[in-house]
Amino acid sequence: QQQVRQSPQSLTVWEGETAILNCSYENSAFDYFPWYQQFPGEGPALLIAIRSVSDKKEDGRFTIFFNKREKKLSLHITDSQPGDSATYFCAASGSNYQLIWGSGTKLIIKP
Amino acid sequence: GPKVLQIPSHQIIDMGQMVTLNCDPVSNHLYFYWYKQILGQQMEFLVNFYNGKVMEKSKLFKDQFSVERPDGSYFTLKIQPTALEDSAVYFCASSLVGGGFYAEQFFGPGTRLTVL
Repeated sequence: QQQVRQSPQSLTVWEGETAILNCSYENSAFDYFPWYQQFPGEGPALLIAIRSVSDKKEDGRFTIFFNKREKKLSLHITDSQPGDSATYFCAASGSNYQLIWGSGTKLIIKP
Repeated sequence: GPKVLQIPSHQIIDMGQMVTLNCDPVSNHLYFYWYKQILGQQMEFLVNFYNGKVMEKSKLFKDQFSVERPDGSYFTLKIQPTALEDSAVYFCASSLVGGGFYAEQFFGPGTRLTVL
């Protein structure tokens, strides 16, 4: 199985709060997990990525927490801003070139 | 950052016709990809291309699909003939290396294909 699952499907948080987006996968051969941010009418853009040898990756307000044993990861966005409103995709790949994508979480930040 | 361009942004055609989607990848990138996205749903991998050859393709990459990049020009996705279920947004991506942590894929803005 190569599925990547994301939850919730949509999430609304207030400006300044922390948004938590979840992702899980089934294929234990996956070792690279990028998160992409997509605004309406645009292509996705890489936001932050983690390798399976790490359990945490931080970049400014964005942090990935990775649990290899449970095959789960989460993206935490602290101090959420209205400009963070977008759809976030979790993806995964192994030794081949394919990125397997989750179905996305639509994040809305209320001012 | 590096830009991937896609032409046209929107294409409307009748079922059974041929369509060619064009992608201008990042100039020094060597690996090229096509993805299909229906109505803002998850991105689905179609194919990747390197050194003039298809490296991998998914089940969605039907016999009616073909890709090429003649002489470093546009990386193209051709569908011939088109079917109603081909209606989607097609995203092109490129990367400097293939696979893994360092193979960041840069995406174009997409071509919305509507098959009537």
